[in-house]
Amino acid sequence: GAVVSQHPSRVICKSGTSVKIECRSLDFQATTMFWYRQFPKQSLMLMATSNEGSKATYEQGVEKDKFLINHASLTLSTLTVTSAHPEDSSFYICSATPGLAGLGPGNEQFFGPGTRLTVL
Amino acid sequence: QKEVEQNSGPLSVPEGAIASLNCTYSDRGSQSFFWYRQYSGKSPELIMFIYSNGDKEDGRFTAQLNKASQYVSLLIRDSQPSDSATYLCADWRFSGGYNKLIFGAGTRLAVHP
Repeated sequence: GAVVSQHPSRVICKSGTSVKIECRSLDFQATTMFWYRQFPKQSLMLMATSNEGSKATYEQGVEKDKFLINHASLTLSTLTVTSAHPEDSSFYICSATPGLAGLGPGNEQFFGPGTRLTVL
Repeated sequence: QKEVEQNSGPLSVPEGAIASLNCTYSDRGSQSFFWYRQYSGKSPELIMFIYSNGDKEDGRFTAQLNKASQYVSLLIRDSQPSDSATYLCADWRFSGGYNKLIFGAGTRLAVHP
């Protein structure tokens, strides 16, 4: 099956610093990538959808200036958490789909292994 | 945002029994539904998806969809301790110009020997 990687798998940083998380599709070209956040014992919450070469679409309540998303190539998307604070500590998961997001009743998303962010 | 609802559990079943996991959704425009399994500290793994009314079977798993009742379920036959995980129901809907997955909070399943 299709493989999606994330780096780093775990990061601890001080409050006020910025953290970049990479999401790569290893064996397919990902037209669309999704970024999710999951707090303990809660569900995955979609943060944003990004298409290669265009600006990301953020979900309501997600600060676009705080969570910068870049999808510069068909195999790489990055999420930068700017000026991170303890409340940003969470499990960040990306997913990728080889199809165009607007097509079909359901294109399978392939999930990365996640990045555990802890902000001290 | 219209919701996907799941009972948080835990649902406890003995090994070898059938585990029944349920999910309701509120958006009648939702077109297809996905079941994921998530182990603690890991990302979700796709079990199966369904978009037609009725049953869909894949090995020990059967998904059931009733669009009139806005109800989706997942049956796990011959449950094993390794099936102990959180099961996430998600609906795939078109919103804001994109298809996206909206997840329920998940049901924790515990299979005891």
